[in-house]
Amino acid sequence: SQQGEEDPQALSIQEGENATMNCSYKTSINNLQWYRQNSGRGLVHLILIRSNEREKHSGRLRVTLDTSKKSSSLLITASRAADTASYFCATAFSGGSNYKLTFGKGTLLTVNP
Amino acid sequence: NAGVMQNPRHLVRRRGQEARLRCSPMKGHSHVYWYRQLPEEGLKFMVYLQKENIIDESGMPKERFSAEFPKEGPSILRIQQVVRGDSAAYFCASSPGDSLAYGYTFGSGTRLTVV
Repeated sequence: SQQGEEDPQALSIQEGENATMNCSYKTSINNLQWYRQNSGRGLVHLILIRSNEREKHSGRLRVTLDTSKKSSSLLITASRAADTASYFCATAFSGGSNYKLTFGKGTLLTVNP
Repeated sequence: NAGVMQNPRHLVRRRGQEARLRCSPMKGHSHVYWYRQLPEEGLKFMVYLQKENIIDESGMPKERFSAEFPKEGPSILRIQQVVRGDSAAYFCASSPGDSLAYGYTFGSGTRLTVV
């Protein structure tokens, strides 16, 4: 399957530190997206990176994509307690069903004040 | 813009009953997607609909599950004769069109509990 897999499964850091989460996938993609989910809530889209892009920034977020290794990383700089959430990567096929996102199981990030 | 609206937020059904989950996409969005999230799991694609059309239902269980997106009104995910294994969070997402250019906007989900 093309399932994305996040690593680590759980990450606990202190406020102000940086948090790095990784995602690996198996097949060719059109784009890769990162989402945040607060406990018991819906998903919030954070950032989308296309297969021909290598790096993208949005505020305190930095996403990299290495298509040769089929991996991506999400870096959150200067973390805050409000960043505590689960983070999911999702991949969109490069083929016909590119609307269909395949999600990993997520990384649970805890930022301690 | 109220975003993607799902209701109810929580739904409890006894085994054998029917569950109806509703999703109103963002204004201007004509594409709706339903995903299911089991405990400790990522989201799994169920179905993709446009107005009055099911585009891809490859993620839907063959039995008991159906979805519609009528010309007027919200999209409905219907689960007949629910079983305990149907307990999950069901999320709806919408997009204005080509998902290649946009990330999805998700609703807050409906948490179905079958007792």
